[in-house]
Amino acid sequence: DAKTTQPPSMDCAEGRAANLPCNHSTISGNEYVYWYRQIHSQGPQYIIHGLKNNETNEMASLIITEDRKSSTLILPHATLRDTAVYYCILMEYGNKLVFGAGTILRVKS
Amino acid sequence: NAGVTQTPKFQVLKTGQSMTLQCAQDMNHNSMYWYRQDPGMGLRLIYYSASEGTTDKGEVPNGYNVSRLNKREFSLRLESAAPSQTSVYFCASSDGLAYNEQFFGPGTRLTVL
Repeated sequence: DAKTTQPPSMDCAEGRAANLPCNHSTISGNEYVYWYRQIHSQGPQYIIHGLKNNETNEMASLIITEDRKSSTLILPHATLRDTAVYYCILMEYGNKLVFGAGTILRVKS
Repeated sequence: NAGVTQTPKFQVLKTGQSMTLQCAQDMNHNSMYWYRQDPGMGLRLIYYSASEGTTDKGEVPNGYNVSRLNKREFSLRLESAAPSQTSVYFCASSDGLAYNEQFFGPGTRLTVL
């Protein structure tokens, strides 16, 4: 079973920030938080990952709470092309991804 | 770079038939993976190969076999296809078994009648 909990779906207006939450209350010290997304019918795409500190790259920002029990993925200026299923995944050493159901993000104009 | 490529893109089989799904990567990655995705669900790991010459079972290995032919290629074989194996199959690769991002192929859509 996936060790993360995400809302089934969210809507976001185009141009606004999309904030996708993820709960992982049983996270262990050596687990990283990874985010992938899957645009309709395509293979999943890596977005970002982190351990403790907040992370930012060209696609998104990842905010991890101090107790590491939850995190938020932020897409700063969502576009229609960001409509996808977003997966929050905890990864241990061994690099085996365990996907849950994810959050369907719908970006609307 | 093509990244991760998969063939075929689509396949229809009859129950009991066999087939091999092919996957190749041109990123010089050590590790490769096979996942399946059923409608409305997340991906589940079937088999993985940490490095050339090694393979290990994932979450749902029953009914499948794999071959790591060389560093580039990792194939998935269905010896006797069943309707329960109707799914989309994704191959992925990564630089190793540490905390590395995985790169996914476009998928093979398999229907078993």
